[in-house]
Amino acid sequence: DQQVKQNSPSLSVQEGRISILNCDYTNSMFDYFLWYKKYPAEGPTFLISISSIKDKNEDGRFTVFLNKSAKHLSLHIVPSQPGDSAVYFCAASPSETSYDKVIFGPGTSLSVIP
Amino acid sequence: ETGVTQTPRHLVMGMTNKKSLKCEQHLGHNAMYWYKQSAKKPLELMFVYNFKEQTENNSVPSRFSPECPNSSHLFLHLHTLQPEDSALYLCASSQDVYGIFYNEQFFGPGTRLTVL
Repeated sequence: DQQVKQNSPSLSVQEGRISILNCDYTNSMFDYFLWYKKYPAEGPTFLISISSIKDKNEDGRFTVFLNKSAKHLSLHIVPSQPGDSAVYFCAASPSETSYDKVIFGPGTSLSVIP
Repeated sequence: ETGVTQTPRHLVMGMTNKKSLKCEQHLGHNAMYWYKQSAKKPLELMFVYNFKEQTENNSVPSRFSPECPNSSHLFLHLHTLQPEDSALYLCASSQDVYGIFYNEQFFGPGTRLTVL
């Protein structure tokens, strides 16, 4: 059973609009969350992270929201650009030091339409 | 280009073959990782090396054998694989094992492995 779920395999958004990628997790011990982006034929690249002591973290056009009680996090991209088209992975870890316990979600493929 | 290279980029092998995947980084990193990404499945951490010493083996079958001769090179030796081992194998490196949390882990492009 997957501990980190991304229930939308794909998402299409018009350029300039908001993209919202969702992630749910089942393990209440997860305390640190990360988002990665992956282009075809390239390895994943780190995007943004959030610790459970926060409910929001922002970096430019990217904002991650965490709702611990609902075991849910989301990544907002505003405004969406065609270059954002990629697969986005959510990942979770029991702590900021549990490098060997990071669990990844299956990914959501985002297409931003010009 | 992240500074982490992997060869070959594509590999097709039979179940009785022995092959090796190679990963190289000249970023001065001390930690190196092997990940597996199967079709429609999440990325899975396989092995972690820190200062050439293996620190983690996430219950990976023995038909996968890692080797880290120095901090710049990491190999994954493959033998008697199964068709279900077909996947994208990604190598990554970071300054230390906590780099994954601080935007300091860099991935290679991966080797697409097909086992016939």
